Amino acid sequence: AQSVSQHNHHVILSEAASLELGCNYSYGGTVNLFWYVQYPGQHLQLLLKYFSGDPLVKGIKGFEAEFIKSKFSFNLRKPSVQWSDTAEYFCAVTSNNNDMRFGAGTRLTVKP
Amino acid sequence: GAGVSQTPSNKVTEKGKYVELRCDPISGHTALYWYRQSLGQGPEFLIYFQGTGAADDSGLPNDRFFAVRPEGSVSTLKIQRTERGDSAVYLCASSWGGGLYNEQFFGPGTRLTVL
Repeated sequence: AQSVSQHNHHVILSEAASLELGCNYSYGGTVNLFWYVQYPGQHLQLLLKYFSGDPLVKGIKGFEAEFIKSKFSFNLRKPSVQWSDTAEYFCAVTSNNNDMRFGAGTRLTVKP
Repeated sequence: GAGVSQTPSNKVTEKGKYVELRCDPISGHTALYWYRQSLGQGPEFLIYFQGTGAADDSGLPNDRFFAVRPEGSVSTLKIQRTERGDSAVYLCASSWGGGLYNEQFFGPGTRLTVL
């Protein structure tokens, strides 16, 4: 079955620590990959996306993600987190059909 | 311009009642999506419209759920005989076009509570 897995349910970091959130998917064929963020009390916003080309994608607010096809992964990274990065992060995938499948999300708490 | 809007923001109803949730997509977006997000989970796909027609309704959990988009803009998600398990945040998203290369813009959601 097609699925998106996010390994970490809750990550707690101190400011300036480095971040890596895991995302693995199980889809055949061409995929497009996304990371969305949901800040407290706000709606889902796109952080970055991968369609094709350079597998290292840079998004807003200093986030980046690397598509590793052989590992079916699209991990999100940020070298130095800030308190304002506290949010829930969702990995999502679209493939041959039109629906977007989301992972269960990772809650990030950054301590000041 | 304005983003995706959803009304109401909160809806509390009793088991067995009928509810309607409304979504106003971004102007000009032809594709519209409904998702359901339960506590501690990611959004779960329900239905996708391309224009006025439902191009993919494979995510609707059962025949109590129905959605329309009669003029290709505003959409209404309708839930009949609500059950406590229907309690969730219902999200709407829209995009310029459907298919593989779309970026979906999400609304704030409607929090449905079935007592």
